[in-house]
Amino acid sequence: NAGVTQTPKFRILKIGQSMTLQCAQDMNHNYMYWYRQDPGMGLKLIYYSVGAGITDKGEVPNGYNVSRSTTEDFPLRLELAAPSQTSVYFCASSYSTLSGNTIYFGEGSWLTVV
Amino acid sequence: GESVGLHLPTLSVQEGDNSIINCAYSNSASDYFIWYKQESGKGPQFIIDIRSNMDKRQGQRVTVLLNKTVKHLSLQIAATQPGDSAVYFCAESGYNAGNMLTFGGGTRLMVKP
Repeated sequence: NAGVTQTPKFRILKIGQSMTLQCAQDMNHNYMYWYRQDPGMGLKLIYYSVGAGITDKGEVPNGYNVSRSTTEDFPLRLELAAPSQTSVYFCASSYSTLSGNTIYFGEGSWLTVV
Repeated sequence: GESVGLHLPTLSVQEGDNSIINCAYSNSASDYFIWYKQESGKGPQFIIDIRSNMDKRQGQRVTVLLNKTVKHLSLQIAATQPGDSAVYFCAESGYNAGNMLTFGGGTRLMVKP
């Protein structure tokens, strides 16, 4: 069972560089999310998507962009990397349901901006 | 804004004892709560959930209690094992927030052999 797959696992970026974190899920989930987790802290929502072609800002969207061209994929783009974006990034997905919204997470992507 | 928080950042227990991890939430409109376990270097894993129309829900060795009067959530782990050592997060969501989850800051559970 693949679930939610993120790549790369680790990446070091220089200030001002750009990169894309890839995320794919094979559970046919409508909802997908990107969270960041700073050391010793909880998760903060960056962007989310309720379906293909639809994206919305979360709590901390500045400095990031997303797209959702297919149900399976939800890449996160950093255009001009800054040290403040050093964090662990988690992609997640869930069914869209009003009866509960259990979210399944990927293994995380460790990003360091130097 | 609305938030979910935890009383204790670190909890140390003896192997075999029961563990209780607490969480306070402030959004009275939240109607769904989840506990996640996060082991070092891994993503959060779903443990157990509870809806606001329930006070208690049991799983395998875990029980979640919800007190809506004081907006408090707890996770009880019976016969704690070394494999339970991890950071535990509570999260809440509600229809008024588009069912988006809001996470607390996490509690680290350390199990002493």
